[in-house]
Amino acid sequence: DAKTTQPNSMESNEEEPVHLPCNHSTISGTDYIHWYRQLPSQGPEYVIHGLTSNVNNRMASLAIAEDRKSSTLILHRATLRDAAVYYCILSREYGNKLVFGAGTILRVKS
Amino acid sequence: DAGVTQSPTHLIKTRGQQVTLRCSPKSGHDTVSWYQQALGQGPQFIFQYYEEEERQRGNFPDRFSGHQFPNYSSELNVNALLLGDSALYLCASSLQLNRGQREKLFFGSGTQLSVL
Repeated sequence: DAKTTQPNSMESNEEEPVHLPCNHSTISGTDYIHWYRQLPSQGPEYVIHGLTSNVNNRMASLAIAEDRKSSTLILHRATLRDAAVYYCILSREYGNKLVFGAGTILRVKS
Repeated sequence: DAGVTQSPTHLIKTRGQQVTLRCSPKSGHDTVSWYQQALGQGPQFIFQYYEEEERQRGNFPDRFSGHQFPNYSSELNVNALLLGDSALYLCASSLQLNRGQREKLFFGSGTQLSVL
């Protein structure tokens, strides 16, 4: 499984946009890019996924570099409820085995 | 619509004992995966069940075994417990799509297992 590299932690102010980066230089052509987040005392929660094109949903946006070696999860207006560990994951098989790294701890300040 | 439910929420066992954890998938889902999450780390894939068979397995010893029932619910069994088995055990469910692909995973809140 291709590896991802994320910053250990990031901090944001409430109601400001947050850009969470992820590097995946060894990504293969068939790897999907998934983002999950884990709120305190809960299981991970799906945020968004993509293959080649940028993606938007009600939770976030995913910007994928043209060479696919990096991606950025964008939270448009961070709230205190967005404080969580964010995981960037590559998977050759959408919805199958996910290999989680340590993720990025996002802290949101009021 | 209930999501993924796991039981029990907490469990304390001693070394050498055996434990069974249970998972009911989200309504309409047919695939169940189990993950182990040690403190401060990301979840690690244990195995996945579909059509009552183990389909994929992570790097876990044979002490970890599972089962899926006709109603898609699942059990995780761990034999000969070690102190290092203390962790949060997460169940995730999904629905098989075409050609082996599955929809996004929905996770339960997990079972916290402590081995003393």
